[in-house]
Amino acid sequence: DGGITQSPKYLFRKEGQNVTLSCEQNLNHDAMYWYRQDPGQGLRLIYYSQIVNDFQKGDIAEGYSVSREKKESFPLTVTSAQKNPTAFYLCASSTGLAGDYEQYFGPGTRLTVT
Amino acid sequence: LAKTTQPISMDSYEGQEVNITCSHNNIATNDYITWYQQFPSQGPRFIIQGYKTKVTNEVASLFIPADRKSSTLSLPRVSLSDTAVYYCLVAPPWRTGYSTLTFGKGTMLLVSP
Repeated sequence: DGGITQSPKYLFRKEGQNVTLSCEQNLNHDAMYWYRQDPGQGLRLIYYSQIVNDFQKGDIAEGYSVSREKKESFPLTVTSAQKNPTAFYLCASSTGLAGDYEQYFGPGTRLTVT
Repeated sequence: LAKTTQPISMDSYEGQEVNITCSHNNIATNDYITWYQQFPSQGPRFIIQGYKTKVTNEVASLFIPADRKSSTLSLPRVSLSDTAVYYCLVAPPWRTGYSTLTFGKGTMLLVSP
């Protein structure tokens, strides 16, 4: 089955530690995205990538970093510089084709930092 | 990026038609409108997308007036499983680049028996 996988589903870290969230897709999509969702809020874009080895900052990129070394993978690192890292993180992908706005989302990773 | 405004919540009963309206007064000429559904602790799921007039697929219809300053998602004959948060997203064409792609707070639809 094609789709997006995120691991782990739940992640706990101590304050001051960097943590990397995994996102893999086998849909052969060019575009990938990372969003953050806080309780009762909508999704906010952290980073997006249109193609391998290229990525752009979204609305709330401070304290986060990404890489796109392979088409299938778009890991997100939450650094110690992120002031409020506890949130639900969602990865998504899309074809990147003109006129196609459908994003496919993964199941999400819930990160708790104490 | 066009800001969107939706009702915070809506209530309905099984079998009824539900219409959720999204306002986007400053939509740009090349912006498209998409709608997503999200269940608790899951990623959103794409429902429908459109540019103008009416679009229909197997689960919903999307009505967009000529001025495109609003759009209405129509869900025919809802069931209990349609209880979810519905997001309206307005965005420019992919590859034109955007640094802000924010889903608003969405509309919480509660369907009762």
